[in-house]
This record gives sequence, structure tokens and C-alpha cells, in this order.
Amino acid sequence: AQSVTQLDSQVPVFEEAPVELRCNYSSSVSVYLFWYVQYPNQGLQLLLKYLSGSTLVESINGFEAEFNKSQTSFHLRKPSVHISDTAEYFCAVSDFTGGGNKLTFGTGTQLKVEL
Amino acid sequence: GAGVSQSPSNKVTEKGKDVELRCDPISGHTALYWYRQSLGQGLEFLIYFQGNSAPDKSGLPSDRFSAERTGGSVSTLTIQRTQQEDSAVYLCASSPSRVGGGETQYFGPGTRLLVL
Repeated sequence: AQSVTQLDSQVPVFEEAPVELRCNYSSSVSVYLFWYVQYPNQGLQLLLKYLSGSTLVESINGFEAEFNKSQTSFHLRKPSVHISDTAEYFCAVSDFTGGGNKLTFGTGTQLKVEL
Repeated sequence: GAGVSQSPSNKVTEKGKDVELRCDPISGHTALYWYRQSLGQGLEFLIYFQGNSAPDKSGLPSDRFSAERTGGSVSTLTIQRTQQEDSAVYLCASSPSRVGGGETQYFGPGTRLLVL
């Protein structure tokens, strides 16, 4: 069984400030790691994912996340946020045991960027 | 191209009634997933279809919930004898197959179900 913990339910931050959204996971097997974002009144969409290889993965809009196996973490960071980054962010894990790629999600972190 | 579509977008029903929720996945995607997003439980996996294989029903919360996928494409999630705790947003996602897993799931806009 897997679980995902997002300790921060809400993160307020001023525009152009850096931000880190924390994600820790628990699993007895190797996992794939994902960050999904849900903008207001929109559906979930993939932000970035880690499958293998380099532990640092980046999105096209400036977010990055680093897989840390020893810490079982996959924290999401952005050095300078924009008002348009206001959204809810979900960390998720899956494993591939032949049964598909079903995702186990964290409870989400609401990022609110203020002027 | 077209994304995942779901219908209806909103559904209000009375306790005890049956409801059907529909999902049209992205053309060519062999995998289809149903999730539920509720205030109390967050995002939960419900059921997974892959091609012609038997579905993974391990996330269905009770035997009132069932789903089918016809012709490897459209899927219907049925909730019988709805209860107030079934109120949630039901999300459908599809993905292409990828050797080794880890494929991106593409989510639909969801169906918001309210049971009175």
C-alpha cells in the first residue's frame, strides 16, 4: 500500500517570491511520482513527473521537483511565482505491479499568490 | 485534439435513486480510470480498465458502485441507491499504454454529483 502526505493545506505567498510545496510518500515498492495541478474551475492536469534517471525534473512553466529516495520526498519548488500559479497542487504516486498505473493522491495544497 | 469528456457536468438526485455517469476517453487511449474527489476523502481511485482485461475494482467503496467500458472506449459509472455520502466530483482519466508504467493520465472536467 502507498500513501502520500502533503502537510501544507494552504500556502499563501507574494508574487515573485519563491515557494516550496512539500510532498512525502510511503511505499514498500519503487514508485513513480507526479505533481498534478488544478486551476480554478478547471480539470486536473499534469505538471511534471519522475519516472527514472535524473532526480530533478522540470515543468515548462518554471516549476521543478526533486526526487529524494532517502527522504521519500518529492517537493515542488518555484523560484519566483506568478499570480497565475494560484491553484491547487496534488502530489501523487503510482507503482507498476502489472495492475495498472492507478494514482494515490495527497490531500492537496492550495497555493494562493498575492500581489 | 479532443480531451476526455464527461457527462453530465452536474447531477442532482434524491437519496435512493440510481445515477449513471459517462466518460468519453481520448481516442486511442487503452487505459481508463475513475476517481472521486470529495471534501472529506480527497482524491480516491475507484476503478481501472485496461484494454480487454478484467477491470481493477479495488477502489469501489461499496457494491452499489459499478462501472463498465463498452467496446474499449466509452465508460459508464453507475451508483445505485445513492446516499448523501456519495456526493462528490467524479473524475475520469485516460492514458495510453506505456511499457513499464508511469504514463500520464489525462483528466476530464468531472461530474459534480449532489445527493439530496
